[in-house]
Amino acid sequence: DGGITQSPKYLFRKEGQNVTLSCEQNLNHDAMYWYRQDPGQGLRLIYYSQIVNDFQKGDIAEGYSVSREKKESFPLTVTSAQKNPTAFYLCASTKRAGVGEQYFGPGTRLTVT
Amino acid sequence: QQQVKQSPQSLIVQKGGISIINCAYENTAFDYFPWYQQFPGKGPALLIAIRPDVSEKKEGRFTISFNKSAKQFSLHIMDSQPGDSATYFCAASKEGNTGKLIFGQGTTLQVKP
Repeated sequence: DGGITQSPKYLFRKEGQNVTLSCEQNLNHDAMYWYRQDPGQGLRLIYYSQIVNDFQKGDIAEGYSVSREKKESFPLTVTSAQKNPTAFYLCASTKRAGVGEQYFGPGTRLTVT
Repeated sequence: QQQVKQSPQSLIVQKGGISIINCAYENTAFDYFPWYQQFPGKGPALLIAIRPDVSEKKEGRFTISFNKSAKQFSLHIMDSQPGDSATYFCAASKEGNTGKLIFGQGTTLQVKP
């Protein structure tokens, strides 16, 4: 089955630690996106990548970093510089940037205490 | 210019009734308007989408109405069912660009049996 996998589903970390969230897709999509979702709010774009080895900041990139070394993988690192890291993180992809449906993964809920 | 405003924040409808969710946008360059459905703890899934060349699009019980001059679009769910209880997000983007979706704040729909 083609799709997007995110792991783990739940993640717990202590304040001050960096943590990396995994996102893998087997849809052969060029573009990938990371969103953050907080209760009662819409999705906000953190980073996006239109093609391998290229990525751009979204609206709330501070305290986050990404890499895109392989077409199918787009990991997100939440650094200790992110002031409010506890949230639901969603990865998405499209066949090409700006074209067609954006497919979402099941999400990772990160709790930092 | 980049905002998408969604209302109401929450909605309670009786089974068999019509659910209506509204969105308004500012950027006239937007030309792709999807609606996503999200169940608790899951990623959003595309429900239906419209482009400005039509004023209405229907898929089963779900209809999007689009008013280009008013910069508004709405989702109508006919014969609402308890299984429709979820959070609904409208979004907007400029196709052929980066693919960045601008999301509304979301509407939590509860359909009572």
